Amino acid sequence: DSGVTQTPKHLITATGQRVTLRCSPRSGDLSVYWYQQSLDQGLQFLIQYYNGEERAKGNILERFSAQQFPDLHSELNLSSLELGDSALYFCASSAITPSGRYNEQFFGPGTRLTVL
Amino acid sequence: AQKITQTQPGMFVQEKEAVTLDCTYDTSDPSYGLFWYKQPSSGEMIFLIYQGSYDQQNATEGRYSLNFQKARKSANLVISASQLGDSAMYFCAMREGLAGGFKTIFGAGTRLFVKA
Repeated sequence: DSGVTQTPKHLITATGQRVTLRCSPRSGDLSVYWYQQSLDQGLQFLIQYYNGEERAKGNILERFSAQQFPDLHSELNLSSLELGDSALYFCASSAITPSGRYNEQFFGPGTRLTVL
Repeated sequence: AQKITQTQPGMFVQEKEAVTLDCTYDTSDPSYGLFWYKQPSSGEMIFLIYQGSYDQQNATEGRYSLNFQKARKSANLVISASQLGDSAMYFCAMREGLAGGFKTIFGAGTRLFVKA
């Protein structure tokens, strides 16, 4: 158990719908990352938040958005869903050392999204 | 251009033998971190080992060691004394620093099969 929790574990929805995925980082971790893992695209970095602020942006579609709340949990919102959005969505968290080095990212169990 | 390259889609190794999984990377950022993750068939992402770009010594974590050759831009994972439970997908990843926008990039992965 990495200490990162994600809900829900599975989500089945229809095209055109909107869903929200939730992530709670490990205790004390200020950074949260979102990833999408699909068979054709592999593991793609979407976005990172650090202490409530967007820190880095990857291949995140405009239909997707995320935020990190004051209690450090994060939500990934996916709207106007398409069949191709079906994937495993991971959240990860990490701590930044006082020297600013990049520590390892600990992954949650993932949310499997199926768009029908 | 591919920033993380894992050239071995699949590898076989005999139980109790050592195996090396290859990873090369490309970045112009002087500050970066390299990671290896294991993804068993159950789907979770398990952190294995981390190497910072300024680290002088190769990282080791139990049976895992990272053969870091900075000039060649390679970060190969060595698993000693392979076990049946090591059968999984292995991902190499890099997190760039400020120059790279703090993004994390994963390779396509290598599927390792450990034979009894």
